[in-house]
Amino acid sequence: QQPVQSPQAVILREGEDAVINCSSSKALYSVHWYRQKHGEAPIFLMILLKGGEQKGHDKISASFNEKKQQSSLYLTASQLSYSGTYFCGTESGGSNYKLTFGKGTLLTVNP
Amino acid sequence: KAGVTQTPRYLIKTRGQQVTLSCSPISGHRSVSWYQQTPGQGLQFLFEYFSETQRNKGNFPGRFSGRQFSNSRSEMNVSTLELGDSALYLCASSWDKTYEQYFGPGTRLTVT
Repeated sequence: QQPVQSPQAVILREGEDAVINCSSSKALYSVHWYRQKHGEAPIFLMILLKGGEQKGHDKISASFNEKKQQSSLYLTASQLSYSGTYFCGTESGGSNYKLTFGKGTLLTVNP
Repeated sequence: KAGVTQTPRYLIKTRGQQVTLSCSPISGHRSVSWYQQTPGQGLQFLFEYFSETQRNKGNFPGRFSGRQFSNSRSEMNVSTLELGDSALYLCASSWDKTYEQYFGPGTRLTVT
């Protein structure tokens, strides 16, 4: 099942902070975050694994609540370059590999 | 190192035709996933291959198929095209499950 992202869209001014949430109805093994700018391919931001391991960029922070099957992406001191659509992808583990993405959160950072 | 490449970048087909899209992963990556992206539905998982084996398939009709070759290059095929198949098709490669995926630029398919 597709994870639910909130908010669907957010508008910020440079320097402001934002939180994007991702919620799943299934038990999760990992949560992946990607950003896609208009007309471009999605780029990797972070992976959060069950058990606490994280892989990603130093300037990006996120949390993963395994019990609640929720993850949040924290964008602090936003820059114009942060604008884009943010997708969370969830994976439930096991021998099969299927990354299911949410519908995305459109983030716009204005000067 | 070279990124993920997809060919062709743009394609226009008519209903009922068949199409084959190609994806060359980053060297060394054995996992290739395919996604369909449309404005209303976001990124929808089609299938994933690892070392020539399909490990999982999304909820798409049997008209959508794929394969992976021994050099990890992958192809997806859509037969009997429908108007609703118009979309951006993205492939992504990675080392394996818990590693980041690197996306290609996509193939924009338009069905008329």
